[in-house]
Amino acid sequence: QSVLTQPPSASGTPGQRVTISCSGSSSNIGSNSVNWYQHLPRTAPKLLIYTNNQRPSGVPDRFSGSKSGTSASLAISGLQSEDEADYYCTAWDDSLNAVIFGGGTKLTVL
Amino acid sequence: VQLVQSGAEVKKPGESLKISCKTSGYTFTSHWIGWVRQMPGKGLEWMGIINPGDSNAIYSPSFQGQVTISADKSLSTAYLQWGSLKASDTAMYYCARIWEVTIHDYWGQGTLVTVSS
Repeated sequence: QSVLTQPPSASGTPGQRVTISCSGSSSNIGSNSVNWYQHLPRTAPKLLIYTNNQRPSGVPDRFSGSKSGTSASLAISGLQSEDEADYYCTAWDDSLNAVIFGGGTKLTVL
Repeated sequence: VQLVQSGAEVKKPGESLKISCKTSGYTFTSHWIGWVRQMPGKGLEWMGIINPGDSNAIYSPSFQGQVTISADKSLSTAYLQWGSLKASDTAMYYCARIWEVTIHDYWGQGTLVTVSS
């Protein structure tokens, strides 16, 4: 069981807005920034959001991140078929002295 | 920026293994390098990171003592090694360039390690 809790699955239809949550604690999300990664099958993971809400160059503004207290969220608007992937949140954990990954959320575009 | 990992490996339990992550396109010693595991059908797990400048490594408690992360500045290459593989080490392993300790901004293509008798 991951220290960061994500729903195992999420879904939406093309054009919809979906949100993926990531719940942690005071030792991780509560005191450190959150990053999000997109992982398509048989490819390398891709940095999607860093430092809670920053998008790397090349990431569409359909992707946005937010953080409040000990939880964070990834929102994807204007859902597209190519968004079908696994999404992971991560944060540093002060108690473990390590980066921790959420369990991952499999996004299905219906 | 490119991170190119060594090819797939098939090993027997008890054997040793060292896989590599060759970097290019940036100053190797300016960024930490990390390793991430994905077991079959499972999620991503952070294993640890290394500062190529001084070879200082930080390990996840789950992997401390199980693997060794190293780096060779002269080759701009990071390594992940096992002294005695177990079947449970069967997984895809990714390396990634890191900034600000937690942001993995560029990733290698992955190395599949299969451990089977």
